[in-house]
Amino acid sequence: GENVGLHLPTLSVQEGDNSIINCAYSNSASDYFIWYKQESGKGPQFIIDIRSNMDKRQGQRVTVLLNKTVKHLSLQIAATQPGDSAVYFCAENMGGGSYIPTFGRGTSLIVHP
Amino acid sequence: DSGVTQTPKHLITATGQRVTLRCSPRSGDLSVYWYQQSLDQGLQFLIQYYNGEERAKGNILERFSAQQFPDLHSELNLSSLELGDSALYFCASSVEGNNEKLFFGSGTQLSVL
Repeated sequence: GENVGLHLPTLSVQEGDNSIINCAYSNSASDYFIWYKQESGKGPQFIIDIRSNMDKRQGQRVTVLLNKTVKHLSLQIAATQPGDSAVYFCAENMGGGSYIPTFGRGTSLIVHP
Repeated sequence: DSGVTQTPKHLITATGQRVTLRCSPRSGDLSVYWYQQSLDQGLQFLIQYYNGEERAKGNILERFSAQQFPDLHSELNLSSLELGDSALYFCASSVEGNNEKLFFGSGTQLSVL
């Protein structure tokens, strides 16, 4: 997982703000990317995914952007809520027959009411 | 609830001992993954099984072994335990094990004293 990194280890926001969590990856052959949320005492929970043939995908209050040119992935959370407080991981499947998600170190999101 | 069940939730043992962690995947999922999560190493992939057969191996120590049984549940065996093996061990499952999202259990917290 050392090639999947996050720029900010901790992100603090106010309730209602939009949050952006960034992730850099180094393997240009990676073809599938996933964001997970991990709350304290729980396992990682799937949020949203994107394949390399797309550059944007939207879910409920979340958007993932993929920039293959600079090998960058971001997760945008709209109208952040206290329940969004958690550690967020990006993971990549490196392609070439590897279907094992490789996780980055994670970003801790703290939402202040 | 992800549908993935892990037991036990907590395990405390001594160095040199052997333990077995158990995982039941989501109904219908054929693939099981084991990950180790520690503070300094993040989420590290250990091993993957698909329909009873080993499919991929990660940074799994020789002291560790796993298997997937005909009913698709999986066990992770950790032997000759060392202090450094203390970590959260997660099991995840997916339908086919090919470029798809994983569903994680709540983990087993292993403490080696």
